[in-house]
Amino acid sequence: KNQVEQSPQSLIILEGKNCTLQCNYTVSPFSNLRWYKQDTGRGPVSLTIMTFSENTKSNGRYTATLDADTKQSSLHITASQLSDSASYICVVSSGGSYIPTFGRGTSLIVHP
Amino acid sequence: DGGITQSPKYLFRKEGQNVTLSCEQNLNHDAMYWYRQDPGQGLRLIYYSQIVNDFQKGDIAEGYSVSREKKESFPLTVTSAQKNPTAFYLCASSLGTSNTEAFFGQGTRLTVV
Repeated sequence: KNQVEQSPQSLIILEGKNCTLQCNYTVSPFSNLRWYKQDTGRGPVSLTIMTFSENTKSNGRYTATLDADTKQSSLHITASQLSDSASYICVVSSGGSYIPTFGRGTSLIVHP
Repeated sequence: DGGITQSPKYLFRKEGQNVTLSCEQNLNHDAMYWYRQDPGQGLRLIYYSQIVNDFQKGDIAEGYSVSREKKESFPLTVTSAQKNPTAFYLCASSLGTSNTEAFFGQGTRLTVV
């Protein structure tokens, strides 16, 4: 069964600090991996998308990495801001399906 | 502006009533999806549609119904058979292949009173 596991479940950091969120998956065959940011009460918004051949992709202060061999991805946030407080969701798509597999998300809280 | 629109943002329903959530997109996407999100849980797929006049059950379709009469519209009806309907509902659309990004609406929060 395709699964996406994210850790930690929640994280609290101080403004200006860096943090890294983890995503492990067992989706096969692998097509792509996306990280979404979801603000409370809003729909998710895409941050990055990576295919099998991509190791790193950046979007401003967000940098995602992908290790297709170990089936792991990370999202690194640099110099966090209060507006980074949100849930971050890892989503993995299989080459044989329209339907992606969602992780449960990591809830990030940035304190001043 | 191009995008995907859900309405209403908040919805209250009495027990035993059916209620319909609206989802419209002007992105010319073939595929549309409905998800349910509960606190502390990931998104769970209710129904999806790959083309007009066709839709498939997702993981938690019981108590829900959908229609896809137009490419732009994919309304979700929460019926009285859904035992625990209070949740945040998200609609999404994509071009329809696994390599394309899903765009989400802003969600509808349904509360049973």
